[in-house]
Formats: sequence, C-alpha cells, structure tokens
Amino acid sequence: DAKTTQPTSMDCAEGRAANLPCNHSTISGNEYVYWYRQIHSQGPQYIIHGLKNNETNEMASLIITEDRKSSTLILPHATLRDTAVYYCIVRVSPYTGNQFYFGTGTSLTVIP
Amino acid sequence: DTGVSQDPRHKITKRGQNVTFRCDPISEHNRLYWYRQTLGQGPEFLTYFQNEAQLEKSRLLSDRFSAERPKGSFSTLEIQRTEQGDSAMYLCASSSTGSRETQYFGPGTRLLVL
Repeated sequence: DAKTTQPTSMDCAEGRAANLPCNHSTISGNEYVYWYRQIHSQGPQYIIHGLKNNETNEMASLIITEDRKSSTLILPHATLRDTAVYYCIVRVSPYTGNQFYFGTGTSLTVIP
Repeated sequence: DTGVSQDPRHKITKRGQNVTFRCDPISEHNRLYWYRQTLGQGPEFLTYFQNEAQLEKSRLLSDRFSAERPKGSFSTLEIQRTEQGDSAMYLCASSSTGSRETQYFGPGTRLLVL
C-alpha cells in the first residue's frame, strides 16, 4: 500500500506556480521522497527527489518540512505541457524492497 | 536514444493466448523492474531483478506470469493463458545500485485481452 496522501486533483493557471502537497507521516529517517509525473499514456517521468533539504532542478523544486512528514512539489511557471498525474513516493518501514508504491497521485490540470 | 525501451508498444490478444514483452534498460543500469498499471490507478510493482537474479516478486505475479533477465541486460515478461483481467499497461523501469534508487521508466506496453 502507498504510504503517501495526495489530493486527487488540482487546477493551476498557466504561468502561475503549481504547488502540489504530499503527506508522508510514517516516513523513516533514511527514506527519500521522490516525485514522478505521468502524462497520459506515457511511462512515469522522474522529476526530483530529496531526503531532508529542499531541492531544486531544472524542472521543479521540492520543499520538505523539517519533521519530514510532508512535502510540496513546486512547478514555478506551469505550462499546458505540465498537465499530468503527479505521484509522490516514499519507501516506508518496514523495508520491503526496492519497488516504489505509487498510489493514485494528483491529477494536475493547467488551465490556459 | 539511451532511455528504457519496451517492445511492443501495443498488443491485442485473445483470451487464453500467451504473450511476451521485452524491456531494454539503460545500459549501465543493473536493476530492472516490472510494474503493471490499470486504468485510473498508479503503477503496481510486479517484480525486480538485480543483474540476472530475480530478487523480489509481488503477490500480483501469479503463476501465469514469468519474468527473466538471462544475461543481466534485457528482460522479458511472459503471460501465459491470458485473461481479460490482464489487460493493462506493463511498465519497465531501470536503475543503478545506490541509496537514491532513481528509477527511469520506459513507455510501457499496453495489453488488451479480448
């Protein structure tokens, strides 16, 4: 079972920042938070991951709270091509292997 | 293109037939994963290889499913005696050993069992 909680859907105006929240209250100290997205009928695409510190790359920023129980993915200037399902993933204790548990994700719609 | 590739991209078969899918991972990646995704759901883990060794199998992987990675490079996933419930997207991902374990996914094979 996925151990993250995400809103089912969100809308964002084109050009504005999209902030996608994720709760992962049972995360263990050595487990990373990963974000992937999936555009319709394609394979999931890696976006970013982090452990404790905030992370930024060319696609997005990841803000992890100090207690690590939640995180936010930020797409700074959303475009129509960012419309996708966004998955927040952690590996939770007890350690069950290397697979990811995806859950159902957040369906982000970027509106013109 | 040096990403993960999967073949075929689409497969339509009749119930009871056998099907085989192929995955070619990123060349330097020693770990390979198979996932299944049904409509409206996130991908679900099926099995995982490190090099040629199959180290984990999900309860979802029934006896009709078998996966191989004979030389630690490409992998095949075979479904015997397909059922309509096997209709799904089958995704392959690869990664290299390490604590960060970023998995890179292929485009998937969409299976429709009639």
